[in-house]
Amino acid sequence: EVQLVESGGGLVQPGGSLRLSCVVSGFTFSSYSMDWVRQAPGKGLEWVSYISSSSSTIYYADSVKGRFTISRDNAKNSLYLQMNSLRDEDTAVYYCARDYGTVVGVFDPWGQGTLVTVSS
Amino acid sequence: DIQMTQSPSSLSASVGDRVTITCQASQDISNYLNWYQQKPGKAPKLLIYDASNLESGVPSRFSGSGSGTDFTFTISSLQPEDIATYFCQQYDNLPITFGQGTRLEIK
Repeated sequence: EVQLVESGGGLVQPGGSLRLSCVVSGFTFSSYSMDWVRQAPGKGLEWVSYISSSSSTIYYADSVKGRFTISRDNAKNSLYLQMNSLRDEDTAVYYCARDYGTVVGVFDPWGQGTLVTVSS
Repeated sequence: DIQMTQSPSSLSASVGDRVTITCQASQDISNYLNWYQQKPGKAPKLLIYDASNLESGVPSRFSGSGSGTDFTFTISSLQPEDIATYFCQQYDNLPITFGQGTRLEIK
């Protein structure tokens, strides 16, 4: 069974940092690109970042560029999102998702999400 | 950025009804369009990819059509377990963008 399990969310003050992790199982992690997608409470979905299977290609949404860093460790079947200089508007459930297509953007499946709350 | 406009934003229908949701892109995205279902408190689930292809394991009452800028998502016969919010998503250009969602309720 394919599983993606996020962790690392929590309450952080504005300007603070947090590192999210996503551990996967049930498929060959090193063969797939991965993404982070977030959802503010009661709101829609916002794509955050993409990383290719070998980490050679990385993309970010403009809203997080320069503050967030995506990375992966294929030996540990793990995806990461380092979030620095956090803002109130970064408050959201963060999902990791396998990028299933031949181009960026077919998300299947998704993890259960981890909640990040940025507040003083 | 490509804007994705879904309509309606909410919809109430009866079990057995045919339900249709539309999604319009602000520019031509060919068929680079996916549909996701999100049940309350759960992660989104891919239902339709490349505008009209049914993901494996998804019931055949779900379907999608369209290309270019105008797309349609249909549930042929609404079931109680279909209560959810549905999102369209384009992946023709970065940044990947989603529609605002359509909340589907049972009448």
